Amino acid sequence: QVQLKESGPGLVQPSQTLSLTCTVSGFSLTSNSVHWVRQPPGKGLEWMGGIWGDGSTDYNSALKSRLSISRDTSKSQVFLKMNSLQTDDTAIYFCTRELGAWGQGASVTVSS
Amino acid sequence: DIQMTQSPSLLSASVGDRVTLNCKASQNINKNLNWYQQKLGEAPKLLIYYTNNLQTGIPSRFSGSGSGTDYTLTISSLQPEDVATYFCFQYNSGLTFGSGTKLEIK
Repeated sequence: QVQLKESGPGLVQPSQTLSLTCTVSGFSLTSNSVHWVRQPPGKGLEWMGGIWGDGSTDYNSALKSRLSISRDTSKSQVFLKMNSLQTDDTAIYFCTRELGAWGQGASVTVSS
Repeated sequence: DIQMTQSPSLLSASVGDRVTLNCKASQNINKNLNWYQQKLGEAPKLLIYYTNNLQTGIPSRFSGSGSGTDYTLTISSLQPEDVATYFCFQYNSGLTFGSGTKLEIK
């Protein structure tokens, strides 16, 4: 069955770079898009960006200058890198296949 | 960018009530709209895709409708397990979530 699992550091210092990995199973990255969505504590959902089956990417215009999404199809992994983190980047970060199936989320706190 | 406005932000209703949640887009989104349910501490779950298509495994008391800029999620008979926050999501131009409607039992 389709599964996604996010992994990464729970704590990141301000101004540093966040690196998250989404490991997937049950589907092919070359046939499906994978997106990153985040949710600050007590707030709504924000689409961050995605990588399509052909490897092209799209980003939220508000995050585009800080965000990079890539993948390794041989390892069934999708990567998120976001630089210049601030405290308001504290959130649960989800990866999702086609905005249908979702991972459980990874909690990231930005604090010194 | 397309903005999605959900109303009300908080809805309190009784078990068995018919409830309606609204989502308004800042421009025509051609029915390219999904609805998600998110329970506390969980990932969002897809309920409805392309305005009115029920995702597999979702109870038939959930339904969606709309066109143009105005869309609705209806729960025909509210159940205790429906307590959650509901988000609409457009994918017509860019990808944007609404701000959510929190549904409580009265």
